[in-house]
Order: sequence, then C-alpha cells, then structure tokens
Amino acid sequence: EAQVTQNPRYLITVTGKKLTVTCSQNMNHEYMSWYRQDPGLGLRQIYYSMNVEVTDKGDVPEGYKVSRKEKRNFPLILESPSPNQTSLYFCASSWRHPSYEQYFGPGTRLTVT
Amino acid sequence: DAKTTQPPSMDCAEGRAANLPCNHSTISGNEYVYWYRQIHSQGPQYIIHGLKNNETNEMASLIITEDRKSSTLILPHATLRDTAVYYCIGPSGSARQLTFGSGTQLTVLP
Repeated sequence: EAQVTQNPRYLITVTGKKLTVTCSQNMNHEYMSWYRQDPGLGLRQIYYSMNVEVTDKGDVPEGYKVSRKEKRNFPLILESPSPNQTSLYFCASSWRHPSYEQYFGPGTRLTVT
Repeated sequence: DAKTTQPPSMDCAEGRAANLPCNHSTISGNEYVYWYRQIHSQGPQYIIHGLKNNETNEMASLIITEDRKSSTLILPHATLRDTAVYYCIGPSGSARQLTFGSGTQLTVLP
C-alpha cells in the first residue's frame, strides 16, 4: 500500500531535549516536505527536499533541521525544542515536485513543555 | 505568489451537490489550481487539480472560469464523510512549494 508514515504519532517532551520525527515513504517519490499546523495559522511549510541531498527552507524553518540521505526518508530534527514548537506536524511526498499529487502522513502531535 | 480566497465556512445538505468557490485572481497563465481536503486533524488529501479546462475524477469536478480568476470545486452528492476543510491552492513564486491558505470548512448536514 502506498503510504507516508510518521513516527512517533504523539510526543510530549521538555524544552531543550533534542528530538527527531521520522518520515518515510514507499512510493519512490523524489519530493518530500514537512509542514506544521497551528490553530488559526493553517498549514505552513517548514522544509522541503527536491531529491536526495537537496533540501531547502520553507516558510517557517527556524528551529528545525532536516536531512535527506536516502530517497525514502526525510527526518525532522528539533535540536533544542521550545514551547512555541508545540504543533501538529505533517510529512508529505510527491513524485517529482508539488505540482504532482502530494501524499500526506497521518501527523505527529508534539507538545513541548 | 498565487493568492487564493475562499469563504471560511459553508453548509450543504447530505445528498446535494456541494459547490465550493475559490478566487485566484493573481494566478499566472501556467500555474495550476489544486484542491485538497483535511478531515478533522488527519493528513490533507489530494482531490483534484486543473489549469484551464474543467476536470473530473472519481471524487469531484473542478470548474475553472475562462479568465482563470476563479474556480469551483463540486462534490456532486455530498455525504457526511465529506465534512472537512477544503483548501484551494496555487503554487508559490518558487514553484517548489504549495501554499495552503485557511480553506473552507464544509459541513454536510443530515
């Protein structure tokens, strides 16, 4: 089954404790992306990757890092999480770039206390 | 950037057609219009996209005006499971991103 998976689905952590949210797709897609969703602010893109070893900033990249060492994986790294990073996070992928249908993961709900 | 404008909310009776409008007056000639929906807090789901011609798939129809300044997503027979936030999206200036706006909350009423 074609899918995007994210782990963990729920995470409660404390300020400053490094964490990684994993994202994996099984569709051999070149394009992958991370979004965060906050009430009243909608979906905002954090980082995206056009292919392996190619990443670029989205609209809200501050406080986040990403890597794309393999085509299927695109982890989101919070080196020093802060409470303002409490949010619902989605990973997405598409075949070549976002002009093609994007498949979204189920979401990761992160709470930073 | 191709900015889109949608009504914040709409209601529709179950079994009737749901017509969701979107204005995208700044869209350029080679930019597509995309529609996604998000049911509660699930990951958004692709519905359809189009450039200038009307499009139809198993989920919906997309009607784009001739001047391309607006479009309408049509769900021909809305069900309760179609209750969701519907996003009309145009690409950002870089063409490497899709910028989601605030969307339309569609509520299908029994």
